[in-house]
Amino acid sequence: GAVVSQHPSRVICKSGTSVKIECRSLDFQATTMFWYRQFPKQSLMLMATSNEGSKATYEQGVEKDKFLINHASLTLSTLTVTSAHPEDSSFYICSAPTGGGWATGELFFGEGSRLTVL
Amino acid sequence: AQSVAQPEDQVNVAEGNPLTVKCTYSVSGNPYLFWYVQYPNRGLQFLLKYITGDNLVKGSYGFEAEFNKSQTSFHLKKPSALVSDSALYFCAVRDGVNFNKFYFGSGTKLNVKP
Repeated sequence: GAVVSQHPSRVICKSGTSVKIECRSLDFQATTMFWYRQFPKQSLMLMATSNEGSKATYEQGVEKDKFLINHASLTLSTLTVTSAHPEDSSFYICSAPTGGGWATGELFFGEGSRLTVL
Repeated sequence: AQSVAQPEDQVNVAEGNPLTVKCTYSVSGNPYLFWYVQYPNRGLQFLLKYITGDNLVKGSYGFEAEFNKSQTSFHLKKPSALVSDSALYFCAVRDGVNFNKFYFGSGTKLNVKP
């Protein structure tokens, strides 16, 4: 299947600093990528849809100034958590669909990034 | 609106026994259904999907799922569970308009005991 690479897998930062997480599609092009947040023992919460060449689309309740998303190329999307606080500590997962938007395509996920804000 | 429900937070089964992880769905239009598995501190891995055709879908690692239109269900099954199957399982449905968008269930933790 398609490969989505996410980096870093773990990051610890001090409160008030910014952290960047990268998501790359390694063997296919992704005009769209998705960023999810997962709390312990809970499901995935869709944060935003990252669109190559245009602004990201944020889900209701997600602060776009806090979670900056840049889709710089057809294979790279980045999520920057700005001025991080302990409540931002979470597991962040990116995903990219294959299939060109057709119903038969699948969603492939990165390995996730564990963010801990001290 | 599309949605899926996983009624069980946890399923416990003995190794070698059959397992079932339940999922029901609500969609407008044709259902496009998926199962994913997540191991601790990892991303989600695709197991199988139903788009059209046979109601019994076979996927990775010996898993299969049965699409039941009348009961709006898509239960995940495996004839003989392995300890290594212990993980978190998510059912998902694709948005009927934006095919790139998926909605996930709350997840079911499968515990397979030796």
